[in-house]
Amino acid sequence: QSVLTQPPSVSGAPGQRVTISCTGSSSNIGAGYEVHWYQQLPGTAPRLLIFGDSDRFSGVPDRFSGSKSGTSASLAITGLQAEDEADYYCQSYDSSLSDVVFGGGTTLTVL
Amino acid sequence: EVQAVETGGGLIQPGGSLRLSCAVSGFRVGNNYMSWVRQAPGKGLECVSLIYSDGGTDYVDSVRGRFTISRDDSKYRLFLQMNSLRVEDTAVYYCARVSTRFYIDVWGKGTTVTVSS
Repeated sequence: QSVLTQPPSVSGAPGQRVTISCTGSSSNIGAGYEVHWYQQLPGTAPRLLIFGDSDRFSGVPDRFSGSKSGTSASLAITGLQAEDEADYYCQSYDSSLSDVVFGGGTTLTVL
Repeated sequence: EVQAVETGGGLIQPGGSLRLSCAVSGFRVGNNYMSWVRQAPGKGLECVSLIYSDGGTDYVDSVRGRFTISRDDSKYRLFLQMNSLRVEDTAVYYCARVSTRFYIDVWGKGTTVTVSS
């Protein structure tokens, strides 16, 4: 059971927009800790997409955007492309665990 | 170039020990927060251990008392000593640089640890 909750899967057709939610609690996202997002292509290490709730990391296309409100955050991907098919993870810090915490991951399928 | 390369994984019997090593380039481990993040087969990511720039450490409950994170800044290396290994420790272990804002901006390619009899 992950500390942050994500939907197991989402899907969309090429060109469409999808969002992935990430729900936390008062000891992590709700406490004001930033949310970060990673993309993991099959068989590779994760790579940072979004940091500080909504800042895109170097080289990340502006099709990717992040937002946060209360105890939840979201990753939006517009103009879906086949290469976006991957697992996506949200991450924050939890003060009660004193640890970096991840969501369980969401598999994006491009139809 | 900023990078991290893990070594030391392998097949080990339950109860055994392994020491993972991470060689970094382009930055000093002692000036950064560093972490070991693992991913069990078909599962999500889990931060196993974190070492802060001041030397403080944190561990996830499931490994506390069994795993020890350490660093040798003069050799640009991070280590994870894993004792009393269990089947459930089987995973790919990634070495990671963690920013002071707790995002991970540098990942190694990972080393695989398999605990099995």
